[in-house]
Amino acid sequence: EAQVTQNPRYLITVTGKKLTVTCSQNMNHEYMSWYRQDPGLGLRQIYYSMNVEVTDKGDVPEGYKVSRKEKRNFPLILESPSPNQTSLYFCASSDRFNQPQHFGDGTRLSIL
Amino acid sequence: AQKVTQAQTEISVVEKEDVTLDCVYETRDTTYYLFWYKQPPSGELVFLIRRNSFDEQNEISGRYSWNFQKSTSSFNFTITASQVVDSAVYFCALSEAAGGTSYGKLTFGQGTILTVHP
Repeated sequence: EAQVTQNPRYLITVTGKKLTVTCSQNMNHEYMSWYRQDPGLGLRQIYYSMNVEVTDKGDVPEGYKVSRKEKRNFPLILESPSPNQTSLYFCASSDRFNQPQHFGDGTRLSIL
Repeated sequence: AQKVTQAQTEISVVEKEDVTLDCVYETRDTTYYLFWYKQPPSGELVFLIRRNSFDEQNEISGRYSWNFQKSTSSFNFTITASQVVDSAVYFCALSEAAGGTSYGKLTFGQGTILTVHP
């Protein structure tokens, strides 16, 4: 089954404790991306990757890091999480950037 | 910089009413792509339609139709004879393709919450 898998689905943690949200896709897609969803702000792109070893900043990259060492994986790293990063996060992938995105189920992060 | 505006934060209708969700975009590129996605109460994001900037033909898919007008930079979405199952958050999105600084970036609007009452 074609899917984008994010883990964990839910996480409550404390300020400053490094965390990683994993994202994996099994469709051999070139394009992968991370978004955060906040009430009233819609979906905002954090980082995106056009292919392996190619990553670029989206609209809200501050406080986040990504890497794309393999085509299937695109982890999101919060080196020193802060409460303003409490949000619902989605990973997505597609054949190319101009194709429809396949989204994961979302990860709800709470930073206390 | 690319921008997408969905001015309608929330819309409430009664079943069988027609409803139009507005989407206005800004871009300097002549080549770009527009999308609509649906997020039902269960939370997943579902792709509805993609349109490229060179194809202004309107599209109809069952009760759904889309009106793309480059002259007004709008890509509006109409649901005919709405149903309770149409209740969801709907997002419009834009991706530029001309190789500028926004190449590959995908910008979403703020979303419109549609509630269809029985």
